[in-house]
Amino acid sequence: DADVTQTPRNRITKTGKRIMLECSQTKGHDRMYWYRQDPGLGLRLIYYSFDVKDINKGEISDGYSVSRQAQAKFSLSLESAIPNQTALYFCATSDPGHTEQYFGPGTRLTVT
Amino acid sequence: AQSVTQPDIHITVSEGASLELRCNYSYGATPYLFWYVQSPGQGLQLLLKYFSGDTLVQGIKGFEAEFKRSQSSFNLRKPSVHWSDAAEYFCAVGTTDKLIFGTGTRLQVFP
Repeated sequence: DADVTQTPRNRITKTGKRIMLECSQTKGHDRMYWYRQDPGLGLRLIYYSFDVKDINKGEISDGYSVSRQAQAKFSLSLESAIPNQTALYFCATSDPGHTEQYFGPGTRLTVT
Repeated sequence: AQSVTQPDIHITVSEGASLELRCNYSYGATPYLFWYVQSPGQGLQLLLKYFSGDTLVQGIKGFEAEFKRSQSSFNLRKPSVHWSDAAEYFCAVGTTDKLIFGTGTRLQVFP
């Protein structure tokens, strides 16, 4: 079984709809991250969390919110989706002792 | 400002040829350095990383990278490319808290 899972894997939604992307990990890591990937722009950090009570904005947090429900779960929400939020979204985890980030398979989101 | 530059958006090589993917960074101090690979439809997988010590690091799948402090570079190399190496490659720099990713280089391999 994968260490970092994301649901859904693909989602098409309409402008103005609220949508939640979920991430779960079995690695026991405290740190979790949400990135978006756009062609030609690489990965950009949306939000990150160092533990359940610690949430931080990343480079491009506007239009997004997150919830850290447990050590293993970190959800990303788009309160009112817009077409320029169409992208590939990745969740990642890390352990401070290892300094490596482990990525989920990604969620492809299309906003029409 | 902190940044990572991958100047080659797309590289095409023949199977069996050597490969070098370039990465330059701008950072306040010597950061941790990483190369990740993303195969089609997949997440990112770590190829190798550099923290300190020997500036030539070995990774998985026969890849290596060399850290050159004077050039602020961390180029990825492979002596003989396989068709399965076709993917997108990302250089990343940062600390234990956060990473900054480059824009990626897409590698195409011809038989």
